Amino acid sequence: QSVLTQPPSASGTPGQRVTISCSGSSSNIGRKPVSWYQHLPGTAPKLLIYNNNQRPSGVPDRFSGSKSGTSASLAISGLQSEDEAYYYCAAWDDYLVRVFGGGTKLTVL
Amino acid sequence: QVQLQQSGPGLVKPSQTLSLTCAIYGDSVSSNSVGWNWIRQSPSRGLEWLGRTYYRSKWFNDYAVSVKSRIIINPDTSKNQFSLQLNSVTPEDTAVYYCARWDHEAGYFDYWGQGTLVTVSS
Repeated sequence: QSVLTQPPSASGTPGQRVTISCSGSSSNIGRKPVSWYQHLPGTAPKLLIYNNNQRPSGVPDRFSGSKSGTSASLAISGLQSEDEAYYYCAAWDDYLVRVFGGGTKLTVL
Repeated sequence: QVQLQQSGPGLVKPSQTLSLTCAIYGDSVSSNSVGWNWIRQSPSRGLEWLGRTYYRSKWFNDYAVSVKSRIIINPDTSKNQFSLQLNSVTPEDTAVYYCARWDHEAGYFDYWGQGTLVTVSS
Protein backbone atom coordinates (compact mmCIF):
# COMPACT_ATOMS: atom_id res chain seq x y z
CA GLN A 1 0.00 0.00 0.00
CA SER A 2 1.50 3.29 -1.09
CA VAL A 3 1.08 6.44 0.99
CA LEU A 4 1.40 8.43 -2.23
CA THR A 5 -1.22 7.18 -4.68
CA GLN A 6 -0.68 7.36 -8.41
CA PRO A 7 -2.72 5.80 -11.23
CA PRO A 8 -0.91 2.64 -12.37
CA SER A 9 -1.13 3.61 -16.02
CA ALA A 10 -1.71 6.53 -18.37
CA SER A 11 -1.62 6.89 -22.13
CA GLY A 12 -1.80 9.40 -24.93
CA THR A 13 -1.04 9.91 -28.57
CA PRO A 14 1.87 11.97 -29.89
CA GLY A 15 1.25 15.68 -29.45
CA GLN A 16 -1.37 15.22 -26.74
CA ARG A 17 -1.20 16.50 -23.18
CA VAL A 18 -1.35 13.97 -20.35
CA THR A 19 -1.58 14.52 -16.61
CA ILE A 20 -0.44 12.15 -13.87
CA SER A 21 -1.82 12.67 -10.39
CA CYS A 22 -0.27 11.96 -6.99
CA SER A 23 -2.53 11.92 -3.95
CA GLY A 24 -1.08 12.09 -0.47
CA SER A 25 -1.92 13.39 2.97
CA SER A 26 -1.10 16.04 5.53
CA SER A 27 1.96 14.06 6.66
CA ASN A 28 3.64 14.21 3.25
CA ILE A 29 2.46 16.33 0.31
CA GLY A 30 0.49 18.60 2.60
CA ARG A 31 3.69 19.63 4.40
CA LYS A 32 6.59 18.83 2.10
CA PRO A 33 7.66 19.76 -1.44
CA VAL A 34 7.05 17.26 -4.23
CA SER A 35 9.51 16.07 -6.84
CA TRP A 36 8.91 13.96 -9.94
CA TYR A 37 11.18 11.39 -11.58
CA GLN A 38 11.17 9.62 -14.93
CA HIS A 39 12.42 6.03 -14.87
CA LEU A 40 13.40 3.81 -17.73
CA PRO A 41 14.20 0.21 -16.71
CA GLY A 42 17.92 -0.38 -16.53
CA THR A 43 18.78 3.27 -15.93
CA ALA A 44 18.84 5.52 -12.90
CA PRO A 45 15.73 7.67 -12.34
CA LYS A 46 15.91 11.16 -13.82
CA LEU A 47 14.69 14.25 -11.99
CA LEU A 48 11.97 16.14 -13.89
CA ILE A 49 10.42 18.48 -11.32
CA TYR A 50 11.47 19.61 -7.83
CA ASN A 51 9.95 21.90 -5.22
CA ASN A 52 6.47 21.19 -6.68
CA ASN A 53 6.91 23.08 -9.95
CA GLN A 54 10.58 23.82 -10.62
CA ARG A 55 12.36 22.33 -13.62
CA PRO A 56 16.07 21.56 -13.46
CA SER A 57 18.15 22.79 -16.36
CA GLY A 58 17.98 20.45 -19.32
CA VAL A 59 14.40 19.29 -18.72
CA PRO A 60 12.10 20.46 -21.54
CA ASP A 61 9.36 22.93 -20.66
CA ARG A 62 6.87 20.34 -21.92
CA PHE A 63 7.09 18.97 -18.37
CA SER A 64 5.36 20.93 -15.63
CA GLY A 65 4.32 20.28 -12.05
CA SER A 66 1.76 21.64 -9.67
CA LYS A 67 0.57 21.06 -6.13
CA SER A 68 -2.62 21.87 -4.27
CA GLY A 69 -3.24 20.84 -0.70
CA THR A 70 -2.40 17.15 -0.37
CA SER A 71 -2.26 16.41 -4.10
CA ALA A 72 0.22 17.05 -6.87
CA SER A 73 0.28 16.49 -10.59
CA LEU A 74 2.72 16.21 -13.45
CA ALA A 75 1.67 17.41 -16.88
CA ILE A 76 3.39 16.47 -20.11
CA SER A 77 2.40 18.46 -23.17
CA GLY A 78 3.33 17.73 -26.78
CA LEU A 79 3.71 14.05 -25.93
CA GLN A 80 6.58 12.30 -27.69
CA SER A 81 7.41 8.62 -28.12
CA GLU A 82 10.51 9.01 -25.96
CA ASP A 83 8.29 10.05 -23.05
CA GLU A 84 7.16 6.43 -22.69
CA ALA A 85 8.47 5.51 -19.24
CA TYR A 86 7.51 5.14 -15.59
CA TYR A 87 6.83 8.31 -13.62
CA TYR A 88 7.10 8.63 -9.85
CA CYS A 89 6.16 11.40 -7.46
CA ALA A 90 8.17 11.74 -4.26
CA ALA A 91 7.66 13.54 -0.97
CA TRP A 92 9.11 12.91 2.47
CA ASP A 93 6.59 11.51 4.89
CA ASP A 94 6.57 12.32 8.61
CA TYR A 95 6.15 8.64 9.41
CA LEU A 96 8.62 7.33 6.77
CA VAL A 97 6.12 4.82 5.42
CA ARG A 98 6.99 5.60 1.82
CA VAL A 99 8.75 8.40 -0.03
CA PHE A 100 7.84 7.49 -3.61
CA GLY A 101 4.41 6.99 -5.11
CA GLY A 102 3.50 3.66 -6.63
CA GLY A 103 4.51 4.80 -10.10
CA THR A 104 2.61 5.40 -13.35
CA LYS A 105 3.47 3.66 -16.58
CA LEU A 106 2.99 6.08 -19.44
CA THR A 107 2.31 4.56 -22.84
CA VAL A 108 2.53 6.63 -26.01
CA LEU A 109 0.04 5.11 -28.42
CA GLN B 1 30.74 16.32 -10.42
CA VAL B 2 29.51 13.76 -7.93
CA GLN B 3 29.70 10.08 -8.77
CA LEU B 4 28.34 7.13 -6.81
CA GLN B 5 29.84 3.70 -7.48
CA GLN B 6 28.02 0.66 -6.15
CA SER B 7 29.53 -2.73 -5.40
CA GLY B 8 28.30 -5.99 -3.97
CA PRO B 9 27.02 -9.46 -4.89
CA GLY B 10 24.16 -9.97 -7.30
CA LEU B 11 22.93 -13.22 -5.76
CA VAL B 12 21.95 -13.83 -2.15
CA LYS B 13 20.39 -16.93 -0.63
CA PRO B 14 17.08 -16.72 1.25
CA SER B 15 17.44 -15.95 4.98
CA GLN B 16 20.94 -14.53 4.47
CA THR B 17 22.14 -10.91 4.50
CA LEU B 18 22.23 -8.61 1.48
CA SER B 19 25.24 -6.27 1.61
CA LEU B 20 26.00 -3.42 -0.78
CA THR B 21 28.44 -0.53 -0.70
CA CYS B 22 28.27 2.89 -2.35
CA ALA B 23 31.56 4.74 -2.84
CA ILE B 24 31.29 8.52 -3.09
CA TYR B 25 33.43 10.64 -5.42
CA GLY B 26 33.24 14.40 -5.58
CA ASP B 27 31.53 14.85 -2.21
CA SER B 28 31.92 13.75 1.37
CA VAL B 29 29.80 11.26 3.26
CA SER B 30 30.08 13.73 6.17
CA SER B 31 28.64 16.65 4.19
CA ASN B 32 26.20 18.70 6.28
CA SER B 33 23.73 19.52 3.54
CA VAL B 34 22.95 16.15 1.96
CA GLY B 35 21.71 12.69 2.87
CA TRP B 36 22.85 9.33 1.57
CA ASN B 37 20.08 6.94 0.64
CA TRP B 38 19.34 3.41 -0.49
CA ILE B 39 16.41 2.90 -2.87
CA ARG B 40 15.26 -0.22 -4.70
CA GLN B 41 13.06 -0.86 -7.71
CA SER B 42 11.05 -3.96 -8.53
CA PRO B 43 8.12 -4.59 -10.90
CA SER B 44 5.76 -5.29 -7.99
CA ARG B 45 6.73 -2.36 -5.75
CA GLY B 46 8.11 0.31 -8.08
CA LEU B 47 10.64 2.66 -6.49
CA GLU B 48 10.90 2.01 -2.78
CA TRP B 49 12.98 4.19 -0.45
CA LEU B 50 14.72 2.00 2.14
CA GLY B 51 16.65 4.37 4.35
CA ARG B 52 19.27 7.07 4.73
CA THR B 53 22.23 8.22 6.74
CA TYR B 54 23.27 11.83 7.16
CA TYR B 55 25.55 14.00 9.26
CA ARG B 56 24.38 17.10 11.11
CA SER B 57 27.06 17.53 13.79
CA LYS B 58 26.39 13.87 14.55
CA TRP B 59 25.19 10.87 12.56
CA PHE B 60 21.51 10.13 11.99
CA ASN B 61 19.78 7.19 10.36
CA ASP B 62 16.18 6.85 9.18
CA TYR B 63 14.59 3.68 7.83
CA ALA B 64 11.38 2.86 5.99
CA VAL B 65 8.76 1.24 8.20
CA SER B 66 8.57 -1.75 5.85
CA VAL B 67 12.20 -2.81 6.46
CA LYS B 68 13.02 -1.10 9.76
CA SER B 69 13.46 -4.34 11.72
CA ARG B 70 16.10 -5.80 9.42
CA ILE B 71 18.06 -2.93 7.81
CA ILE B 72 21.29 -1.16 8.75
CA ILE B 73 22.88 1.70 6.83
CA ASN B 74 26.37 2.68 7.93
CA PRO B 75 28.65 5.53 6.90
CA ASP B 76 32.37 4.82 6.54
CA THR B 77 34.27 8.09 6.79
CA SER B 78 37.69 6.45 6.29
CA LYS B 79 36.66 5.20 2.84
CA ASN B 80 34.11 7.95 2.05
CA GLN B 81 31.32 5.47 1.40
CA PHE B 82 28.18 4.09 2.96
CA SER B 83 26.73 0.62 3.07
CA LEU B 84 23.46 -1.27 3.15
CA GLN B 85 22.79 -4.42 5.13
CA LEU B 86 19.42 -6.09 4.74
CA ASN B 87 18.97 -9.16 6.91
CA SER B 88 16.77 -12.24 6.54
CA VAL B 89 16.10 -11.68 2.86
CA THR B 90 13.33 -13.45 0.94
CA PRO B 91 12.61 -13.65 -2.80
CA GLU B 92 10.46 -10.50 -2.33
CA ASP B 93 13.70 -8.58 -1.76
CA THR B 94 14.78 -9.29 -5.33
CA ALA B 95 15.17 -5.87 -6.94
CA VAL B 96 17.54 -3.37 -8.50
CA TYR B 97 19.16 -1.47 -5.63
CA TYR B 98 20.33 2.11 -6.02
CA CYS B 99 22.27 4.44 -3.78
CA ALA B 100 21.36 8.11 -4.17
CA ARG B 101 22.24 11.51 -2.76
CA TRP B 102 19.49 13.78 -1.41
CA ASP B 103 20.34 17.46 -1.64
CA HIS B 104 18.60 18.95 1.37
CA GLU B 105 18.75 22.54 0.14
CA ALA B 106 17.56 21.80 -3.37
CA GLY B 107 15.04 19.19 -2.23
CA TYR B 108 15.59 16.24 -4.51
CA PHE B 109 17.61 13.10 -5.24
CA ASP B 110 20.24 14.48 -7.58
CA TYR B 111 22.91 11.79 -7.99
CA TRP B 112 22.34 8.05 -8.32
CA GLY B 113 24.51 4.98 -8.42
CA GLN B 114 24.46 2.71 -11.45
CA GLY B 115 22.10 0.21 -9.83
CA THR B 116 22.76 -3.37 -8.75
CA LEU B 117 20.38 -6.22 -9.57
CA VAL B 118 20.19 -8.42 -6.48
CA THR B 119 18.42 -11.74 -6.85
CA VAL B 120 17.37 -13.70 -3.78
CA SER B 121 17.39 -17.36 -4.69
CA SER B 122 18.77 -20.65 -3.46
